[in-house]
Amino acid sequence: QSALTQPASVSGSPGQSIAISCTGTSSDVGGYNYVSWYQQYPGKAPKLMIYDVSKRPSGISDRFSGSKSGNTASLTISGLQAEDEADYYCSSYTSSSSPVVFGGGTKLTVL
Amino acid sequence: QLQLQESGPGLVKPSETLSLTCIVSGGSISSGSYYWGWIRQPPGQGLEWIGNISDSGSTYYNPSLKSRVTISVDTSKKQFSLQLSSVTAADTAVYYCARQLSGTYHSDFWGQGTLVTVSS
Repeated sequence: QSALTQPASVSGSPGQSIAISCTGTSSDVGGYNYVSWYQQYPGKAPKLMIYDVSKRPSGISDRFSGSKSGNTASLTISGLQAEDEADYYCSSYTSSSSPVVFGGGTKLTVL
Repeated sequence: QLQLQESGPGLVKPSETLSLTCIVSGGSISSGSYYWGWIRQPPGQGLEWIGNISDSGSTYYNPSLKSRVTISVDTSKKQFSLQLSSVTAADTAVYYCARQLSGTYHSDFWGQGTLVTVSS
């Protein structure tokens, strides 16, 4: 069982916007602005898309954005494209046990 | 461009020790700003953070694996290593090495990953 809770799957049509939620506790998501999001294609290594809740690494499209409210963080992808179809994982710094926890992952399907 | 590359046996027998090395190229491993970590992913499953190490040797481990994990660093060779003892089939996974920002530990550079299968 993952420490952070994500929906198993989400879907959307090209051009639409979708949001993926990531729910934790006050010891992780709610207590620190250190939530990150990763995109992973089958057979490939994860790629950092968002860090520190809402910051984008260089080279990441501004169609990807992050936010947080209370114990829940969200990744929003606007203007969905076929290439966005992948698995997405959230992660957070945590003050309990290990310093990093992951969500279980969300499979994004572009219809 | 920073690159990380995992290496090690792809097959390990149950009860033995899994040993992997990550070689860092295209950048320095000796920076107070970063930790060097290991993350694994069992087939068809999600990511699990294993632990990390600074260039000075400070470590953090996942409590669920702490009794079996050792991470070490050799800055002269620009590499860091993972040892996981007493492995079982549950330790079968793709193992990734990654650079992690000190303090927040998000992983900004990843190796390609290496599949380690535990089987007799």
